[in-house]
Amino acid sequence: DAKTTQPPSMDCAEGRAANLPCNHSTISGNEYVYWYRQIHSQGPQYIIHGLKNNETNEMASLIITEDRKSSTLILPHATLRDTAVYYCIVRANAGNNRKLIWGLGTSLAVNP
Amino acid sequence: KAGVTQTPRYLIKTRGQQVTLSCSPISGHRSVSWYQQTPGQGLQFLFEYFSETQRNKGNFPGRFSGRQFSNSRSEMNVSTLELGDSALYLCASSLAWGRTSTDTQYFGPGTRLTVL
Repeated sequence: DAKTTQPPSMDCAEGRAANLPCNHSTISGNEYVYWYRQIHSQGPQYIIHGLKNNETNEMASLIITEDRKSSTLILPHATLRDTAVYYCIVRANAGNNRKLIWGLGTSLAVNP
Repeated sequence: KAGVTQTPRYLIKTRGQQVTLSCSPISGHRSVSWYQQTPGQGLQFLFEYFSETQRNKGNFPGRFSGRQFSNSRSEMNVSTLELGDSALYLCASSLAWGRTSTDTQYFGPGTRLTVL
């Protein structure tokens, strides 16, 4: 079973920030939080990951709470091309727990 | 740097046949994982290979098998196809296995298998 919970769907206006929440209350100390997105019928695209510090790259920012039980993916200026299913996954980077266990994700619709 | 490539992109087979799918990882990546995606079950892990050895395995029947070659390219095989095997099969590559530092998996476009 997936170790994360996400809202099934969200809407966002084009040009505005999209804030996608994720709960991972059972996360272990050695597990990272990964975010991927999947545009219809394509392979998942890696977005960002983090362990306990906030992270930012050219695509998004990742805010992880101090207790690491939840996180938020922020797309600062959403465009129509950001419409996709966003998956939040917790994963260890070594051993038998390194496989990605996928939940249902959040279907983000960016509206003009 | 070229991304993960998968061949073929689309495949149609009939029940009882077998199929082989191929995956070429990103240059320099030595670990390859396979996933199955269906509308009903979502994305599910099949297996992971590193240095030509299976390191992790998901909960799939023995009809699903894989292997990895010395150049890190990987194949997966499904024998005695069933209608329920119709799915998008995704391959992901990463640098290594068993590392404690970050090791992100990057996905290919997938192979769409239809079983009639």
